[in-house]
Amino acid sequence: QVQMQESGPGLVKPSETLSLTCSVSGASLSNYYWNWMRQSPGKGLEWIGYLYHGGATKPGSTKYNPSLKSRVTISVDTSKNEVSLKVNSVTAADTAVYYCARVSSTVAAAGGGYAFDVWGQGTRVTVSS
Amino acid sequence: DIQMTQSPSSLSASVGDRVTITCRTSQSISRYLNWYQQTPGKAPKLLIYAASSLQTGVPTRFSGSGSGTDFTLTISSLQPEDFATYLCQQSYITPWTFGQGTKVEIK
Repeated sequence: QVQMQESGPGLVKPSETLSLTCSVSGASLSNYYWNWMRQSPGKGLEWIGYLYHGGATKPGSTKYNPSLKSRVTISVDTSKNEVSLKVNSVTAADTAVYYCARVSSTVAAAGGGYAFDVWGQGTRVTVSS
Repeated sequence: DIQMTQSPSSLSASVGDRVTITCRTSQSISRYLNWYQQTPGKAPKLLIYAASSLQTGVPTRFSGSGSGTDFTLTISSLQPEDFATYLCQQSYITPWTFGQGTKVEIK
């Protein structure tokens, strides 16, 4: 059974960098799209971006929401089976619950598009001095 | 970005009721529409993918339909555990976007 768990500071100061980690257990990072999303009362659920890990034989890729693109980096550490998110120059507008989630390979392979079938429990991040 | 509009934003219903929630998109997305259920303090849970396909393990009282710009989630007989917020999501083109949610409350 695949499980994902987010971790990181719950409080970040304005203008600093928000750094979160998603630990994945029960599955390899290879050949999946790993995503970050956030949810706030004002903006609802917002997709931040994904990292596709191709494994040893295929190239990976990243794609980000243009609303955040210049401030976001998603990366992987295969030795730890972790996916990371960094958002720099944060403001109060970045206050939200942050989720990591995996795109279902079954749905994608069947031509059903990209659906998020496994999620972390979420971690609340507040931007405040 | 593709805009997602759900209606209603909230509804009150009783156990056993048939409930229908609508999601409309700002442009055609074929059938690349997913539905999620979210309860307070929890992550969303995938219910329906590709407009009408039931995710493994989801009760058959949940069903989805639609294509193009208009989609529907139906709960045929509302159960106590179904009181939650329901979200639609398009995966036709990035940035993938979500509806604002429909909260189903107990009447």
